[in-house]
Amino acid sequence: DTAVSQTPKYLVTQMGNDKSIKCEQNLGHDTMYWYKQDSKKFLKIMFSYNNKELIINETVPNRFSPKSPDKAHLNLHINSLELGDSAVYFCASSQLAGGDEQYFGPGTRLTVT
Amino acid sequence: AQKITQTQPGMFVQEKEAVTLDCTYDTSDQSYGLFWYKQPSSGEMIFLIYQGSYDEQNATEGRYSLNFQKARKSANLVISASQLGDSAMYFCAMSHQYNFNKFYFGSGTKLNVKP
Repeated sequence: DTAVSQTPKYLVTQMGNDKSIKCEQNLGHDTMYWYKQDSKKFLKIMFSYNNKELIINETVPNRFSPKSPDKAHLNLHINSLELGDSAVYFCASSQLAGGDEQYFGPGTRLTVT
Repeated sequence: AQKITQTQPGMFVQEKEAVTLDCTYDTSDQSYGLFWYKQPSSGEMIFLIYQGSYDEQNATEGRYSLNFQKARKSANLVISASQLGDSAMYFCAMSHQYNFNKFYFGSGTKLNVKP
């Protein structure tokens, strides 16, 4: 009965590859997010989706694209992976957009070699 | 510009003592929310406590309380009766409630609880 789940937990891949990380929430929340946590533990929001509409798009490379087939899923696709993409990626969800507590997935540790 | 500032990269506290983790924020909005999250060494992010900018009373959740001083723009987390399991990174965060939905995290404070 995991609230927010992500797969895979670990992802090791080579530069130039394309990969996806999946996220699902069973909380019935309206908004989902993707965060990137770098090696210095700094968390930065990348995207959020509210009722399948993109409402935040921080200045991330367009190699990153969020895809939401329905309200419970927000997948992250990354094309042409680079060394600097190595990080932990967290998915999160909240009932409201912004002013509400967020529930995080377990994270996906991406390593690009 | 830094929206959330956590000035303590690392802290130590003796088990069973109280500890305060500092957080200051920068915003010109009237309506916003402040959050604290805990990240243990296992990596997951755990929500701890929330304070709305219009809430008159400080938020409390069990051993966690948020010392909200609006005029000083500070939202310090107080953990009472520290336990060994409290050793973790703690992140302060802020959202703008009606300003479409920026969510900012501080750089974190690593708390070590000593037995």
